[in-house]
Amino acid sequence: DAKTTQPPSMDCAEGRAANLPCNHSTISGNEYVYWYRQIHSQGPQYIIHGLKNNETNEMASLIITEDRKSSTLILPHATLRDTAVYYCIVRASNSNSGYALNFGKGTSLLVTP
Amino acid sequence: GAGVSQSPSNKVTEKGKDVELRCDPISGHTALYWYRQSLGQGLEFLIYFQGNSAPDKSGLPSDRFSAERTGGSVSTLTIQRTQQEDSAVYLCASSLVDYTEAFFGQGTRLTVV
Repeated sequence: DAKTTQPPSMDCAEGRAANLPCNHSTISGNEYVYWYRQIHSQGPQYIIHGLKNNETNEMASLIITEDRKSSTLILPHATLRDTAVYYCIVRASNSNSGYALNFGKGTSLLVTP
Repeated sequence: GAGVSQSPSNKVTEKGKDVELRCDPISGHTALYWYRQSLGQGLEFLIYFQGNSAPDKSGLPSDRFSAERTGGSVSTLTIQRTQQEDSAVYLCASSLVDYTEAFFGQGTRLTVV
């Protein structure tokens, strides 16, 4: 059970902003929202994470709703190299599995010329 | 290098043979994770190490799978008597401490023929 819901696929035109939604309605107060992406044939790449405040780094912005039940990853100017599967993950601690990431099916983002 | 290193990058083995997969985490990272990704499937968590200890090995698919970590650094995933269903990409990730972001290696692609 991945605890998140994402659309299976999205398209975005090169140069435009890509807005990837994620629902996590059962998130607990101490659980972070993490985003990773996996470009074909590569290992997953960390993008960004947040708890309740919006976050921005050199790769993306993360907008978390006030009730924390959903979030949006924003790639401000998508390029062809941003074509990948994007995973939204609610990360929680478990004494036996540490902070293992529970990857769901993610959103396959296709950036088109 | 500064990232997580896995070797070999590709391994083809005959059914019934044993294989060892190696992970060199980022220097100083105390938490280490192994995942498996079968063709067209999501990432499946296998095992977590904090230092040299693995609190729970129940994520390993069968008793043919074992893993160890020595010196709080290098980890080895061993698969005995390989089967065709073991064919997958095996990914390793490390994080500075449990709750910080995890960084992945490029994986070992295992093919059992």
